[in-house]
Amino acid sequence: KNEVEQSPQNLTAQEGEFITINCSYSVGISALHWLQQHPGGGIVSLFMLSSGKKKHGRLIATINIQEKHSSLHITASHPRDSAVYICAPWSGGSNYKLTFGKGTLLTVNP
Amino acid sequence: DGGITQSPKYLFRKEGQNVTLSCEQNLNHDAMYWYRQDPGQGLRLIYYSQIVNDFQKGDIAEGYSVSREKKESFPLTVTSAQKNPTAFYLCASSGTGGTREQYFGPGTRLTVT
Repeated sequence: KNEVEQSPQNLTAQEGEFITINCSYSVGISALHWLQQHPGGGIVSLFMLSSGKKKHGRLIATINIQEKHSSLHITASHPRDSAVYICAPWSGGSNYKLTFGKGTLLTVNP
Repeated sequence: DGGITQSPKYLFRKEGQNVTLSCEQNLNHDAMYWYRQDPGQGLRLIYYSQIVNDFQKGDIAEGYSVSREKKESFPLTVTSAQKNPTAFYLCASSGTGGTREQYFGPGTRLTVT
């Protein structure tokens, strides 16, 4: 069983819609990455957060460490947001390893 | 303009040949990582290095080798012992303090026939 579960696996939206992607994990963590992977394959780090909420442009990430859950929201979605979104919790301390979810494929239609 | 470069973007090899994937960073990061990505699966850690001249095996190190002779460079060799080498390979780097946020390169897609 994957320690990190993302939902939904696939999401299709119309331009302008509000998007929510969820991430649940089973072990205690210190922080969590949200990553974006475009069709070309390169990965961009969107957020690394350990508590509360972070906002960058139209993207908002929230995390509840006690409930072991994080969400990524996209407001006013645009076709250029189409990508795979990956959450990756980090257990912290001297551990260098991230655990990766399988990703959520988002398609935003014009 | 800081970042991570991987070359080449696409690589084709015949079965039985070793192949080396390049990863260079100018972010002054101490830690570097190699991941493998297969369709429908999350990224899996192959090797990581926290400092020059030191590296550790990740979850799927069999059939791979690395070196870390310079801080900026962390090449990955896919050996002929790797049973299923065709995959997308991603390199990343991070600092060694704080949240160790990782920064990723553009990846190399390796096809072995």
